[in-house]
Amino acid sequence: GQNIDQPTEMTATEGAIVQINCTYQTSGFNGLFWYQQHAGEAPTFLSYNVLDGLEEKGRFSSFLSRSKGYSYLLLKELQMKDSASYLCAVMDSNYQLIWGAGTKLIIKP
Amino acid sequence: KAGVTQTPRYLIKTRGQQVTLSCSPISGHRSVSWYQQTPGQGLQFLFEYFSETQRNKGNFPGRFSGRQFSNSRSEMNVSTLELGDSALYLCASSPGEREVDEQFFGPGTRLTVL
Repeated sequence: GQNIDQPTEMTATEGAIVQINCTYQTSGFNGLFWYQQHAGEAPTFLSYNVLDGLEEKGRFSSFLSRSKGYSYLLLKELQMKDSASYLCAVMDSNYQLIWGAGTKLIIKP
Repeated sequence: KAGVTQTPRYLIKTRGQQVTLSCSPISGHRSVSWYQQTPGQGLQFLFEYFSETQRNKGNFPGRFSGRQFSNSRSEMNVSTLELGDSALYLCASSPGEREVDEQFFGPGTRLTVL
């Protein structure tokens, strides 16, 4: 079966750095997405990785290792507004997005 | 550019009834995908429409169906509602020309089945 695993909840302090991990087992791979979803709102796109390595976009970076079936999202200089759920999704060989259950990130002052 | 809109935002139905949800994509986007989101389960892919044709389908029973109109607006129908159908239903649009594209989500329709 297809499976995406990510921690259910994480807590971090304002101004700090946090890494959210995602491991996957899917039938085929056509890229990995990270989305942010604030409570009661729609998910919004953060990043897309299809090749191994690190993609940096401002305070957010995303890393992919295809051989390990592993990705992480790195958030630097955390702000209170970063409190949200972070969703990892893999596009499989049928071009369907398989989603993890999401990681709820709580930022404390 | 206006975002993805979904109507209605909230819906309460009883078991056995049927429901139709509507999604208007971003202007110019031809692909619309539908997802079911429940707590602890993540998003589950229902189906994707592109140029009025179902291009991809998830593993949901036939009670779940959809269609897309020539203006790219899409509707999703659920017949013979069950308690387990209570969820947030999200639609997402993308240009659709490429198989891998960023998806833009609407605010969702929260369906409660009593």
